[in-house]
Amino acid sequence: NAGVMQNPRHLVRRRGQEARLRCSPMKGHSHVYWYRQLPEEGLKFMVYLQKENIIDESGMPKERFSAEFPKEGPSILRIQQVVRGDSAAYFCASSPEGRPYEQYFGPGTRLTVT
Amino acid sequence: GNSVTQMEGPVTLSEEAFLTINCTYTATGYPSLFWYVQYPGEGLQLLLKATKADDKGSNKGFEATYRKETTSFHLEKGSVQVSDSAVYFCALSLYNFNKFYFGSGTKLNVKP
Repeated sequence: NAGVMQNPRHLVRRRGQEARLRCSPMKGHSHVYWYRQLPEEGLKFMVYLQKENIIDESGMPKERFSAEFPKEGPSILRIQQVVRGDSAAYFCASSPEGRPYEQYFGPGTRLTVT
Repeated sequence: GNSVTQMEGPVTLSEEAFLTINCTYTATGYPSLFWYVQYPGEGLQLLLKATKADDKGSNKGFEATYRKETTSFHLEKGSVQVSDSAVYFCALSLYNFNKFYFGSGTKLNVKP
C-alpha cells in the first residue's frame, strides 16, 4: 500500500510566480491535511479538506493561498505570486474515515522562492 | 492558546545510551498527545500516542507518559540504536483531531 505521495519534492520559483503542490492520499483515505514548516519551526496546520469540500481553513493565509481536493485526482495547494517568506517545507497528511488521529504524512515539498 | 515546546537539538548520544526528549504543552482544552518521527527524506510517522492523563504510549522501545499535572509528555528510550537517528516531533490535538499542533522537532544523532 503506497504511502502519501507528494510532488514535486523540491520546487524553485521566482518571486511573483505561482507554485502548485500536489498530494495524493493513501488509498482509501478521503481526508487530507496541509501543514507548513518554516525553517527552525514546527509544522503549522493550514487546511483540512475532504473530497470537494474545505472543512477547516483556519490556518491558511487570507491571500494568495488556496487548496482543493477534487472528486478525482490529487489535492492541490496553490500559492499565487510567491514571496520569499513562502519558502518552507509543505507537508500533506491523510487519514482514514473515522480515525482523524491517524494522520499519515507525505515526504513534503520544499519550496524555495528566489 | 495551544502550543507545544520541545527541547532544542541536536541531541547526540552513543549507542545503548538512555534517551529523554522533553515536551511540554499548553492547551485550551483536554488534548491528546503524540510523538512523530521523521527519518531523513521521509514523511512523519506516528510513533506513539496517549489520549488521557496518566496514559502511557509505547512503541519500538520508546515510551511517553501523559502528565496532566506537569503538562508534559517526555519521550524516553532505555537503549538507543544508530537506526533511531531521526527528528522527533511532539504534537497535540484537541476535540475532533482535525488539527494538530507540533513542536519544532528535536534531531537525534546516535553514534556507534
